[in-house]
Amino acid sequence: EAGVTQFPSHSVIEKGQTVTLRCDPISGHDNLYWYRRVMGKEIKFLLHFVKESKQDESGMPNNRFLAERTGGTYSTLKVQPAELEDSGVYFCASSQDWRRHYEQYFGPGTRLTVT
Amino acid sequence: GDSVTQMEGPVTLSEEAFLTINCTYTATGYPSLFWYVQYPGEGLQLLLKATKADDKGSNKGFEATYRKETTSFHLEKGSVQVSDSAVYFCAIPSGGSQGNLIFGKGTKLSVKP
Repeated sequence: EAGVTQFPSHSVIEKGQTVTLRCDPISGHDNLYWYRRVMGKEIKFLLHFVKESKQDESGMPNNRFLAERTGGTYSTLKVQPAELEDSGVYFCASSQDWRRHYEQYFGPGTRLTVT
Repeated sequence: GDSVTQMEGPVTLSEEAFLTINCTYTATGYPSLFWYVQYPGEGLQLLLKATKADDKGSNKGFEATYRKETTSFHLEKGSVQVSDSAVYFCAIPSGGSQGNLIFGKGTKLSVKP
């Protein structure tokens, strides 16, 4: 079974540019989560999809971040325009369904550097 | 709000040494408790979990016991190996029912041969 995959693994962009991160969850997993780890800090929750619906986006830092999940499959996280403080590692995770939603499988992360 | 406090790293040990990584939490009620591990170049993996007081989670020689009275879930291993070098994260579910996790800051472990 393929795990959670994320693309790209690294991205270096200039302040003001746009970046789109992609996450492919494990096939059949209804729940998809985005998290972010800023250097030296905790991994912080950004948002949660159940299938194609946003269940909780309370962790999204501001309206420069836009997440979508097309047809309940893969998800994208767009940052537009990027700021210096957006640098960090963005993790995606998925879990099977509501009964096992805390058993989350993580991708390797996308390291975003904004210069 | 709910939170997790984890001992600061980095931790450097010699092979076969004993490992303890402390983790305490603040939460309403008695949440499930998790340890995740991130090996170099990989995503986080669930290492072990405990769902109720006095439960002991174990995996790959690692153990952690759910201590309700001290709100702790310390990770231990009796004899570490070079392959255990990784970053370890303690985590609890958020207070809501939506499934997101609250993590500690992570502890980087380096094991020297």
